[in-house]
Amino acid sequence: ETGVTQSPTHLIKTRGQQVTLRCSSQSGHNTVSWYQQALGQGPQFIFQYYREEENGRGNFPPRFSGLQFPNYSSELNVNALELDDSALYLCASSRSNREQFFGPGTRLTVL
Amino acid sequence: KQEVTQIPAALSVPEGENLVLNCSFTDSAIYNLQWFRQDPGKGLTSLLLIQSSQREQTSGRLNASLDKSSGRSTLYIAASQPGDSATYLCAVPQLKGGSEKLVFGKGMKLTVNP
Repeated sequence: ETGVTQSPTHLIKTRGQQVTLRCSSQSGHNTVSWYQQALGQGPQFIFQYYREEENGRGNFPPRFSGLQFPNYSSELNVNALELDDSALYLCASSRSNREQFFGPGTRLTVL
Repeated sequence: KQEVTQIPAALSVPEGENLVLNCSFTDSAIYNLQWFRQDPGKGLTSLLLIQSSQREQTSGRLNASLDKSSGRSTLYIAASQPGDSATYLCAVPQLKGGSEKLVFGKGMKLTVNP
């Protein structure tokens, strides 16, 4: 059974650019959640996708958007990058609202 | 609004000590609580998940307890080793619309010195 994978591992962007992060969910999981973890903080919920629909969102502006595909993999898109967007972005997959399994994360640095 | 607190933020101990990590939450209407380990710059590894119907959950040298009424959980690490050095986070689920999000504490950074 393949676990949750994320790509890329690291990414460096400049302010104002756009970025796309990718997540492949664990086999058999139909739900993907995205979290942002700033340095020294706990992860903060961005949004969740279930069967290709967004079904919950945290306190993040609309420039944070996402997609879920028929194979349940997912993308997180961030437009108009700001310095404060520098963080570790974590993806978690689950079967409906059950235990979430996390990927290794993508480290985004915005200069 | 659910808030999760972990105190202290950091702990440094000599190898071999038995440790207790604390986690508190404000809303006791939870159905489980999860403890994670995070190595620097890495993702989260689930250590233990305790259902609200359970009082304790054990895995190897780790034992987690949950007291919903007092809004507390503890993670006990027996005979600590340098390899246990990491940040430990606790999280509780919160239903938001049709989704379940995890609410995390800020974590406790543990250093076990040889």
